Amino acid sequence: GIQVEQSPPDLILQEGANSTLRCNFSDSVNNLQWFHQNPWGQLINLFYIPSGTKQNGRLSATTVATERYSLLYISSSQTTDSGVYFCAVMISSGSARQLTFGSGTQLTVLP
Amino acid sequence: ETGVTQTPRHLVMGMTNKKSLKCEQHLGHNAMYWYKQSAKKPLELMFVYSLEERVENNSVPSRFSPECPNSSHLFLHLHTLQPEDSALYLCASSQVWVGLEQFFGPGTRLTVL
Repeated sequence: GIQVEQSPPDLILQEGANSTLRCNFSDSVNNLQWFHQNPWGQLINLFYIPSGTKQNGRLSATTVATERYSLLYISSSQTTDSGVYFCAVMISSGSARQLTFGSGTQLTVLP
Repeated sequence: ETGVTQTPRHLVMGMTNKKSLKCEQHLGHNAMYWYKQSAKKPLELMFVYSLEERVENNSVPSRFSPECPNSSHLFLHLHTLQPEDSALYLCASSQVWVGLEQFFGPGTRLTVL
């Protein structure tokens, strides 16, 4: 099946710093989504981004489908950004679907 | 109430108990999902229901039994679980089972003694 690798696995930042999280995938995908899981376990949609670039406030994401990667940018980080960031990809072929999550990047933002 | 809700939020059960997890979505979606999240592991997709029909069952042991009585409700019935089944169980929904834009509930933290 498809492999999804996220890097770095852990990241510690000082408040106000910028960061880039990466998601590599081993095959062409039909869909890609970024999530943030807060310390209480709630998974929150960030971006649905099978290709191109999107921005939402201090967050933006870019997916280059032809090169099989996606990047999540966090600018001016805040302590509330702490948590785990997951990317998830889906491959659709006819009626078959394969949905795979990466292992996540654990982000800690220090005050 | 909006979004995806799950009850209970925490559950402790013995290996011989039978319990059920409940998920409800208020988004008008047609697809619902159960995931298992164990410590230090990626999310594992367990089941997918689309228009109340099970469309995915990813080699999940039969001690987990899903039920989708309508497009807004999803249950996970648990019986004779093992301690290694302790995990966070997450429910999600999406408009249809072709895209990926899923919305998650807060999860049920399950501990099996």
